Amino acid sequence: AQSVAQPEDQVNVAEGNPLTVKCTYSVSGNPYLFWYVQYPNRGLQFLLKYITGDNLVKGSYGFEAEFNKSQTSFHLKKPSALVSDSALYFCAVLPYSGAGSYQLTFGKGTKLSVIP
Amino acid sequence: KAGVTQTPRYLIKTRGQQVTLSCSPISGHRSVSWYQQTPGQGLQFLFEYFSETQRNKGNFPGRFSGRQFSNSRSEMNVSTLELGDSALYLCASSLALRSPEQYFGPGTRLTVT
Repeated sequence: AQSVAQPEDQVNVAEGNPLTVKCTYSVSGNPYLFWYVQYPNRGLQFLLKYITGDNLVKGSYGFEAEFNKSQTSFHLKKPSALVSDSALYFCAVLPYSGAGSYQLTFGKGTKLSVIP
Repeated sequence: KAGVTQTPRYLIKTRGQQVTLSCSPISGHRSVSWYQQTPGQGLQFLFEYFSETQRNKGNFPGRFSGRQFSNSRSEMNVSTLELGDSALYLCASSLALRSPEQYFGPGTRLTVT
C-alpha cells in the first residue's frame, strides 16, 4: 500500500524568506504526486502535480516542487514566502501503474506559518 | 465553469441518527470521490463512483455508503452515527475514473453530539 510522510507538523518562516515543506512517499511503481493547500474552513486547493518529465514542477502562486526518485521525495518550495501563504499543506500520492490501491493517499499535513 | 458544490456546508446530528451529504461535480466530470478529514486521522479516502457504480473503496465500515446518479451527482450516507464520525467530508470530482486530477469541494462539516 502507498503512504506519504510529512515529517514536520509545523513550519515557521519569516516573510520574504524561502520556504520548504517536506514530503516523502512510498508506492509500488511510478507515482503521481500532488500538493494541495487548505485554508481554514475551506476545501483543498490544487497547487501542483508531478506525473512524468521534468523533475522540477512549477505550480500556482509561485510554488514549485522537486521530484527526487532516489530519495522518494517531493518537497514543496517557494523562493519568497508571503503572509498569505500561511495555511495547511498536504502532499498526496496516487499509483501510476495501478499497482496497489488506486486511491489518493495524503500525508498528515504541515501547517505553514509565515511571520511578518 | 462552476466548481464542485457540497450541501449542506454544516450539519449537527445526534449519535445513532443517519445523515446524507450531497455533492455536485464540475459539469462534464463523471467521477466523484469522497474523503473524510479529521484532526487525528487526517484525510482518508472513502470511495469513488463512476457511471453510477462504486469503483473503489477505502477502509471504512459498512455504515458509510454512497451512490451516484445519472447526472453524476453523488450522495454519501452514514447510518447509526457515532461521535467519531464528526469530521469534514470532502468530495472531489474528476473527468474520468482513476484520473490523477481531482477538484475538491468546500466540504461538509458534520458534528455528531
